[in-house]
Order: sequence, then C-alpha cells, then structure tokens
Amino acid sequence: NAGVTQTPKFQVLKTGQSMTLQCAQDMNHNSMYWYRQDPGMGLRLIYYSASEGTTDKGEVPNGYNVSRLNKREFSLRLESAAPSQTSVYFCASSASDSYEQYFGPGTRLTVT
Amino acid sequence: AQSVSQHNHHVILSEAASLELGCNYSYGGTVNLFWYVQYPGQHLQLLLKYFSGDPLVKGIKGFEAEFIKSKFSFNLRKPSVQWSDTAEYFCAVSRGAGSYQLTFGKGTKLSVIP
Repeated sequence: NAGVTQTPKFQVLKTGQSMTLQCAQDMNHNSMYWYRQDPGMGLRLIYYSASEGTTDKGEVPNGYNVSRLNKREFSLRLESAAPSQTSVYFCASSASDSYEQYFGPGTRLTVT
Repeated sequence: AQSVSQHNHHVILSEAASLELGCNYSYGGTVNLFWYVQYPGQHLQLLLKYFSGDPLVKGIKGFEAEFIKSKFSFNLRKPSVQWSDTAEYFCAVSRGAGSYQLTFGKGTKLSVIP
C-alpha cells in the first residue's frame, strides 16, 4: 500500500515549457487535490476533484489545468511555465466521507 | 473568505521545554480542525484532528490540541519537546457539513535545540 505517489520528484523547466505532474493513490479515495507550497505561504489549493469525472478550481488555479484520468490518478499540467510557478507541489487524497487528507511526497519544480 | 492564522513564524525551544503553537480561524460556522506536521524533506503527516465532541484532542507523538469555539482557536501543545520534533507545523480548517476543502495557515517552523 503505497498511499499517494507523485512523479517526478524534481523538475527544472525553462520559461514557456510545458509539463505534467502525475499523482496516483491506491486507497480507493474519491477526492483528490493539488496544492502548491511556497515559503511563508503555507499550502494553497490549486484544483481539486471531488469524484471521478469532476474537477473544480481552488484558490490559485491560474496557469494550471488538471485531469482526473480515473479514480486513482489526478494530473496537473502547466501549459506554459512561468518563474512564478516555481514551488513544491503536493497531491493529496481523501475518502468521500472523511475530512482527513493524505499527502504525497511532493514535486519540487523550478522554472528558470 | 475563510482564513487561518498561525501566530508564530519561527519558534526556537530547548529540549524538554513546553510548546504551544497558536491557530485562529475566521469562519463562524461548524468547522473541522487539523494540525499537520512536515519534517525536513518529507511530506505532510496528520498530527491530530477535531470534528466534534471533547474539545481536547490527543494526537500522535504526545501532541494535543484544544478547540475553544468562543475564541475561534485550535492551539497545539506538547508538554516536553524533543529534538526530533523539529519540523514545520500547519494548522488547517475545513467547513463542516460536507466541505472537504482545507484552508491552511502559513505554518510555524519549530526548531528544538538539544
């Protein structure tokens, strides 16, 4: 039981490049989330998916898109990376009847 | 909009000192409250949670927190810290009744000196 896994662990992009961050969970959770963590800012919700087939914007969605591929997987795409998107990205999941979220190990992204 | 405030950005304590980290939230309705911990280089782990019932909740590793509804607060405490408690601590809140989105505070970095 791996919990929540994320790939890649580290990534360096040039401004304007695109990439997709992958997240998968094996806990049969319905809800999944993407956060970014910046120094002194805590975690801010980018997008979330309450169930398979649905996605909604969080606090800071601009510059990102998401896909809930199936119940297990929830990907985050940066279409044209900007230096302001340099951050650590965390994926999380939760059961539909639970408020407790389980976090992945994070992806450290640097945009130059 | 709902907000979560953590009063201290960085706390430095000696081993065996007592710890109290403050957390206040702005939402007036039913809330669910959490404290998460992030050890250096690791992902967030749940320390404790409050949904309802006894306002004094106990979590892992000797941590506890008290929900004071009248003060909109959920402060984290530990009677005697250890060097291994060095980490960043995040308070988080979700509104009750079916809302699963978490709003996080900005975090408090705790450094424990041996």
